[in-house]
Amino acid sequence: SQQGEEDPQALSIQEGENATMNCSYKTSINNLQWYRQNSGRGLVHLILIRSNEREKHSGRLRVTLDTSKKSSSLLITASRAADTASYFCSSHNTNAGKSTFGDGTTLTVKP
Amino acid sequence: DTAVSQTPKYLVTQMGNDKSIKCEQNLGHDTMYWYKQDSKKFLKIMFSYNNKELIINETVPNRFSPKSPDKAHLNLHINSLELGDSAVYFCASTSTGELFFGEGSRLTVL
Repeated sequence: SQQGEEDPQALSIQEGENATMNCSYKTSINNLQWYRQNSGRGLVHLILIRSNEREKHSGRLRVTLDTSKKSSSLLITASRAADTASYFCSSHNTNAGKSTFGDGTTLTVKP
Repeated sequence: DTAVSQTPKYLVTQMGNDKSIKCEQNLGHDTMYWYKQDSKKFLKIMFSYNNKELIINETVPNRFSPKSPDKAHLNLHINSLELGDSAVYFCASTSTGELFFGEGSRLTVL
């Protein structure tokens, strides 16, 4: 992928299980963000982790960042059917003034 | 009030036509973007404007011309539409790097 990669491309789990998505990026960053997109809707910002941070939590979300490997992971704990959506990572470089999105992971949580 | 609003939400048109998509944000942000999302959900940046000034143009064909009359508005005009232009176009704005997206404009070229 030219933009950065996420894996898995698709993930299907049962309600209550944890979901882990991984993201790799290509250039140096100031921060990395995760977004959620429900079908037919715009993207919604979930969480931001700065380049000098290694882990961040927000509710049921846990994000890690490894700048040496240019990778990040998003963990959603105790998943719910309402978590069904596509999840995108976005690497942000302030000097370039732009955010570059990964290919996305489609998460399906079965009730 | 919707923070980032785009119109129209759906647009179906014939090849060769010219069409425009409008975007407005009421968040007071200085920077606005156009992104294109294809059928595989890949999101690619097209343009970025900061205070009405073009900052990023990601090798988008000349048929695409953005216009920013003021920092709250960023419109996208597309000339001579082609089949490959079919996609969902998202407007976004930011002041801190966190992007706020519109709901998207789905363009279908027949």
